[in-house]
Amino acid sequence: LAKTTQPISMDSYEGQEVNITCSHNNIATNDYITWYQQFPSQGPRFIIQGYKTKVTNEVASLFIPADRKSSTLSLPRVSLSDTAVYYCLVGPRMDSSYKLIFGSGTRLLVRP
Amino acid sequence: ETGVTQTPRHLVMGMTNKKSLKCEQHLGHNAMYWYKQSAKKPLELMFVYSLEERVENNSVPSRFSPECPNSSHLFLHLHTLQPEDSALYLCASSRTQGSMNTEAFFGQGTRLTVV
Repeated sequence: LAKTTQPISMDSYEGQEVNITCSHNNIATNDYITWYQQFPSQGPRFIIQGYKTKVTNEVASLFIPADRKSSTLSLPRVSLSDTAVYYCLVGPRMDSSYKLIFGSGTRLLVRP
Repeated sequence: ETGVTQTPRHLVMGMTNKKSLKCEQHLGHNAMYWYKQSAKKPLELMFVYSLEERVENNSVPSRFSPECPNSSHLFLHLHTLQPEDSALYLCASSRTQGSMNTEAFFGQGTRLTVV
């Protein structure tokens, strides 16, 4: 599984756009990029998944450049409730024994 | 509410006790996972069951014993644990369709304290 690197922590203010970048230099051709969000003492929650270019849903956008060696999770107009740990995962979706391996994640703190 | 239910939410046990954690999902998923999350550490994958067969055992000590009687239920049997086993234990499930696997849904976790 491709190794991922994310910033350990980020600070932001309410109403701002937050961009969290993840590096995955060894991403394989059949790997997808998936982001999860985790609040304290809760299980992670799926946010978004993509393979290339841009994916958008009601929660976030995911930008993936052509070389796919990095990806950026974009959270528009964050609120205090977006304070959480965000994990970037890279792995094959087309795998019947798909293992979710989590790294250290990025701890986002949204301030008033 | 994710559709994955874990019980109990909190558990305190002595080192000589035997207890079990339970996970239940009725999402039609056929893969289930146990994770351990210690304070300030990443989630550690412990076990994976796919179609009720254990497909992953990440060098977990034998004092942790998983059981998957059917695709909707997953147990983690605990015995003679150590204080360092205190952690948040998370269950997750996903659906495998042929060679594809959907995103995982996690339970709220069981906060385990070993005294």
